[in-house]
Amino acid sequence: DAKTTQPTSMDCAEGRAANLPCNHSTISGNEYVYWYRQIHSQGPQYIIHGLKNNETNEMASLIITEDRKSSTLILPHATLRDTAVYYCIVRGDMRFGAGTRLTVKP
Amino acid sequence: EAGVAQSPRYKIIEKRQSVAFWCNPISGHATLYWYQQILGQGPKLLIQFQNNGVVDDSQLPKDRFSAERLKGVDSTLKIQPAKLEDSAVYLCASSFHSYEQYFGPGTRLTVT
Repeated sequence: DAKTTQPTSMDCAEGRAANLPCNHSTISGNEYVYWYRQIHSQGPQYIIHGLKNNETNEMASLIITEDRKSSTLILPHATLRDTAVYYCIVRGDMRFGAGTRLTVKP
Repeated sequence: EAGVAQSPRYKIIEKRQSVAFWCNPISGHATLYWYQQILGQGPKLLIQFQNNGVVDDSQLPKDRFSAERLKGVDSTLKIQPAKLEDSAVYLCASSFHSYEQYFGPGTRLTVT
């Protein structure tokens, strides 16, 4: 089973880019990388997903290394409302780990 | 569009009692998921439905938990009898595309 490793917590200054890493060294060739986030007392929210190529949408960018063993979620201009737990998932059946608690500070 | 609806939002019961949660997914979403989220942990998938059929229930404690999705729309999750360790938030999600799940607000269950 592909598993992920994420830092427990990270801080970011408001207005700066937040770069959240995720290691998934056992990922299979056909497994996607998904990112969700969970703001306090709410259900998780889909952010972005990718297979091999870098992806960008209105919320974030996803950078996947060429060997696919790690990825980085980038929030280009973090705001206080981006404070949340961010989950990196590499299984299609959505096994959430503990995630990274991102705190955006003024 | 309306989001995923869940009820009740909060429930307090004593151990050994039974409880049921209800979920109404987003219209047109064939896939429905139930998750359990214990405080401080990520959500744990309990069961996944595709229309009214079960796709994955490998992590559902079947001796006390049951779920159904009659007619492929609404779903109920039941716990009977409840244990203290069942205290958690129960999240329902639905999806049209498997990569993008939409979550409801959850039901916070406290077992005393």
